[in-house]
Amino acid sequence: DQQVKQNSPSLSVQEGRISILNCDYTNSMFDYFLWYKKYPAEGPTFLISISSIKDKNEDGRFTVFLNKSAKHLSLHIVPSQPGDSAVYFCAASARNQGGKLIFGQGTELSVKP
Amino acid sequence: ETGVTQTPRHLVMGMTNKKSLKCEQHLGHNAMYWYKQSAKKPLELMFVYSLEERVENNSVPSRFSPECPNSSHLFLHLHTLQPEDSALYLCASSHGPSGGTYNEQFFGPGTRLTVL
Repeated sequence: DQQVKQNSPSLSVQEGRISILNCDYTNSMFDYFLWYKKYPAEGPTFLISISSIKDKNEDGRFTVFLNKSAKHLSLHIVPSQPGDSAVYFCAASARNQGGKLIFGQGTELSVKP
Repeated sequence: ETGVTQTPRHLVMGMTNKKSLKCEQHLGHNAMYWYKQSAKKPLELMFVYSLEERVENNSVPSRFSPECPNSSHLFLHLHTLQPEDSALYLCASSHGPSGGTYNEQFFGPGTRLTVL
């Protein structure tokens, strides 16, 4: 049973527009969520996180939204740039379940000039 | 060297070989992890070491044997692997756990393993 799901394997967006990457989870005990970005031949790099006590966290062009009732989080990138083209993974953890990260399958974002 | 490094970057081995993957972190972290990433699948946590003690072993077959001699180094010893073990093996490190959570993890570039 996959606890963290990214149902869109790929997304294509025009440069300058908004990219919205979605993630759903099933475990209501998750209380910390992260987004990672991965370029080919490199390991994932941490992008942004959010605690369950918040519903929004912003860092420059990146904003993560959390909807706990829907068990859904999203990553907004605006404006999108060609250098944002990568695979994006969401991850979740639960404090009372050891806190280890559970990852989604990833969404490959392509930003076209 | 900065961040998390992994060697080798690519490895091809036969099913009867014995090889080791190495990971080194230069971030002053005290927790280290091994993950496996197969094609089209999420990252799968294999092992967690915190303060050089193994705290997590996610039902990984015994043909994978981790070793953490100190907080900066992590090894994954491989023996009698199967072709289905071919994958990208990622090492990560972090502070923590603190307050019961694992803080942001920093990943190495991975070792692309092919088992023939």
